[in-house]
Amino acid sequence: SQQGEEDPQALSIQEGENATMNCSYKTSINNLQWYRQNSGRGLVHLILIRSNEREKHSGRLRVTLDTSKKSSSLLITASRAADTASYFCATVGNQGGKLIFGQGTELSVKP
Amino acid sequence: EPEVTQTPSHQVTQMGQEVILRCVPISNHLYFYWYRQILGQKVEFLVSFYNNEISEKSEIFDDQFSVERPDGSNFTLKIRSTKLEDSAMYFCASDPGLAAFNEQFFGPGTRLTVL
Repeated sequence: SQQGEEDPQALSIQEGENATMNCSYKTSINNLQWYRQNSGRGLVHLILIRSNEREKHSGRLRVTLDTSKKSSSLLITASRAADTASYFCATVGNQGGKLIFGQGTELSVKP
Repeated sequence: EPEVTQTPSHQVTQMGQEVILRCVPISNHLYFYWYRQILGQKVEFLVSFYNNEISEKSEIFDDQFSVERPDGSNFTLKIRSTKLEDSAMYFCASDPGLAAFNEQFFGPGTRLTVL
């Protein structure tokens, strides 16, 4: 089954604007995580939200989780050119620690 | 800050050859993972490893793949006879295991090119 499908697939904004990325999944989860990947590089963990949480903040990041709709959103406020990267959501099920990734959103922030 | 390291950064091999990808997880982490990302596609889980044995593997992780933690430091992924479709970025990750289902710390990846 597919997990963690993001939309949009690509997002282009101006510096200073907010960027919102959405993620949907199909099965029950223990937690949902967002990762960032700069072109051709490794994955950097951004934030983890557990299934009993609805919202979480970290700096300019805000993540929401709606388990009834099986969806999450990542908001990056006051975006910077350095935020340009691909963003992936990944879910962890109740059985184990493996991450199931979505296709990702490619964010481009123009200076 | 501790980090996961991987070597080599890029490996080029001929189809049918064996390759070993190496990872050094963060010291004192208990769970270890391999993932791969074919160019332009999403990151896919391959295998998880805990207490010196495989705890879970995906359908991708067939008999051609094996993992080992030979010396308590390194964590290796071996592909016995590479195929063209094994070309991908391979990521190692580790997890401290202090609480249920934590974030995972990823290495920079090894780009495997099979010719």
